[in-house]
Amino acid sequence: DGGITQSPKYLFRKEGQNVTLSCEQNLNHDAMYWYRQDPGQGLRLIYYSQIVNDFQKGDIAEGYSVSREKKESFPLTVTSAQKNPTAFYLCASSSPGQGRTGELFFGEGSRLTVL
Amino acid sequence: AQSVTQPDIHITVSEGASLELRCNYSYGATPYLFWYVQSPGQGLQLLLKYFSGDTLVQGIKGFEAEFKRSQSSFNLRKPSVHWSDAAEYFCAVGPGTWGNEKLTFGTGTRLTIIP
Repeated sequence: DGGITQSPKYLFRKEGQNVTLSCEQNLNHDAMYWYRQDPGQGLRLIYYSQIVNDFQKGDIAEGYSVSREKKESFPLTVTSAQKNPTAFYLCASSSPGQGRTGELFFGEGSRLTVL
Repeated sequence: AQSVTQPDIHITVSEGASLELRCNYSYGATPYLFWYVQSPGQGLQLLLKYFSGDTLVQGIKGFEAEFKRSQSSFNLRKPSVHWSDAAEYFCAVGPGTWGNEKLTFGTGTRLTIIP
């Protein structure tokens, strides 16, 4: 079955450490996204990529970095510069066009807790 | 800038009762509108979407939504809720431009179903 796989599902980090969240999709989608979810704040866009080797900052990119070396993969690194990294992180993908514009497919999320 | 307001943080309804979740949006042009549902600790799933045409759109799981341009609203409805509908619901707006699918999400409405 096609889908998006995020790992790990739960991650604990000490302050000052960088961590990388994995996102892999086998839907053959061109576009991929990272969202951060905090209680009462909905989803906020961190980074997105519409094509391999290209990505753009979203609304809250500070303290995060991404890469898009393969179509299937879009890892997110939470750096020590991120002031409040404890959150639920969601990866999504989409296939523009073909009447499916705006239809995002989400992974099950990764919960990061900073100790 | 586009924005979405979901005025109800939490709604409780009895099983079998009707449901309406409110969504108001702000967008300069004709928006693309979406409703997503999230079960606890999971990713989001698309319920329905509006691009153009008939202002009453049908989605999965018996949900429907009505686009009212004059009121800048896109309220979600269901005639009779089931216990399995308990979840968090997010309204989203996007430009719908091919290759540019940056959605803006509302803060969500948590739905509780009582027997």
